[in-house]
Amino acid sequence: DARVTQTPRHKVTEMGQEVTMRCQPILGHNTVFWYRQTMMQGLELLAYFRNRAPLDDSGMPKDRFSAEMPDATLATLKIQPSEPRDSAVYFCASNPGTNYGYTFGSGTRLTVV
Amino acid sequence: GEDVEQSLFLSVREGDSSVINCTYTDSSSTYLYWYKQEPGAGLQLLTYIFSNMDMKQDQRLTVLLNKKDKHLSLRIADTQTGDSAIYFCAEIVNSGYALNFGKGTSLLVTP
Repeated sequence: DARVTQTPRHKVTEMGQEVTMRCQPILGHNTVFWYRQTMMQGLELLAYFRNRAPLDDSGMPKDRFSAEMPDATLATLKIQPSEPRDSAVYFCASNPGTNYGYTFGSGTRLTVV
Repeated sequence: GEDVEQSLFLSVREGDSSVINCTYTDSSSTYLYWYKQEPGAGLQLLTYIFSNMDMKQDQRLTVLLNKKDKHLSLRIADTQTGDSAIYFCAEIVNSGYALNFGKGTSLLVTP
């Protein structure tokens, strides 16, 4: 089965450090999403791309978060500097440009101490 | 933005039916979804329904849609212990691409 691959699966870092999370979408999927999951807020949309162009990043704290798609096989989410409140599970999802093909990765569990 | 509402917990006995309810926000949502999340895993698409349908059945799963009340439900027949998970309702947001999720319903199936 085709799947969305996220790395790393787990990351523990100290406050103030830079964190980079990576996502390999399913080959042929042209829409990529980043979501953050916490107990308090549930699943929040951070940003998404279509054909590598950012369509919406209004859910992302701009001062410390950045999302990019250097090429069609890689999406990155960076936090610099990281803060304890960024601790969450970050999910990447991809979609072939339809309304019924969203596939989620297994997530990156980030802990900032 | 507005919240997609779901009850937080549901407990059923193995073999019984489970019904998970959801109230969504955007009456123009063209598709509505149910996702399942098992511990430590990502979200798995269970089923979806197009907004011009009232019902969709897929093996043990039945989705009912009431557009007037913006109410969506997921019925799981003959619930098994392997169905224990968190179930998320989601709607397409007005952009047409991203999903807006509820906070999830934790389903516990007891023997």
